[in-house]
Amino acid sequence: GAGVSQSPRYKVAKRGQDVALRCDPISGHVSLFWYQQALGQGPEFLTYFQNEAQLDKSGLPSDRFFAERPEGSVSTLKIQRTQQEDSAVYLCASSPPVRGSFREGRETQYFGPGTRLLVL
Amino acid sequence: GNSVTQMEGPVTLSEEAFLTINCTYTATGYPSLFWYVQYPGEGLQLLLKATKADDKGSNKGFEATYRKETTSFHLEKGSVQVSDSAVYFCALSRYGNTLVFGAGTILRVKS
Repeated sequence: GAGVSQSPRYKVAKRGQDVALRCDPISGHVSLFWYQQALGQGPEFLTYFQNEAQLDKSGLPSDRFFAERPEGSVSTLKIQRTQQEDSAVYLCASSPPVRGSFREGRETQYFGPGTRLLVL
Repeated sequence: GNSVTQMEGPVTLSEEAFLTINCTYTATGYPSLFWYVQYPGEGLQLLLKATKADDKGSNKGFEATYRKETTSFHLEKGSVQVSDSAVYFCALSRYGNTLVFGAGTILRVKS
């Protein structure tokens, strides 16, 4: 079946511009995650949804970052007034419903190809 | 807090050589542990995982054993191929699945 898709794949923005990044998760996956991957680094957690509820946004670096998933499927990550330090690859991942303990974190996350954002 | 430390790269090997990429973690309780791989120009893919102590994850000739006593999850492969050249990420997961990644290790395999 179809995997996680993200659009656009590449985005060049001028400093101060607002951008919106889209994620289409795998059908039936209730959990959706956003990560930021700087060049040469591992991905870092930004925010997490279970269905339409944003359960954790502790990784969002500033109030310029906002994510939503209004119908529990497609998600959008919005960055307002972009800065050069926002340049990174933004990864979206989804995972199936949690089995067993919510705290065990056993479920595999399936990643999309990412959106490479360059802020000039 | 939770963190993952993996060996710095790049690791350069000849084809058919033995591979070890070290990974250690710090976490409260008993996390699940993962190795993800990122091939050139592609997205992150799960390579293998282990969800409890002494579990061994394996896939495509790679394997890693969840060692609670040493808080480690080292990745091994007996004979690497050129096609294994990629970036390898060790990660742990707790509390609703949020992944904490290491910095990644670049593997280059020469023919």
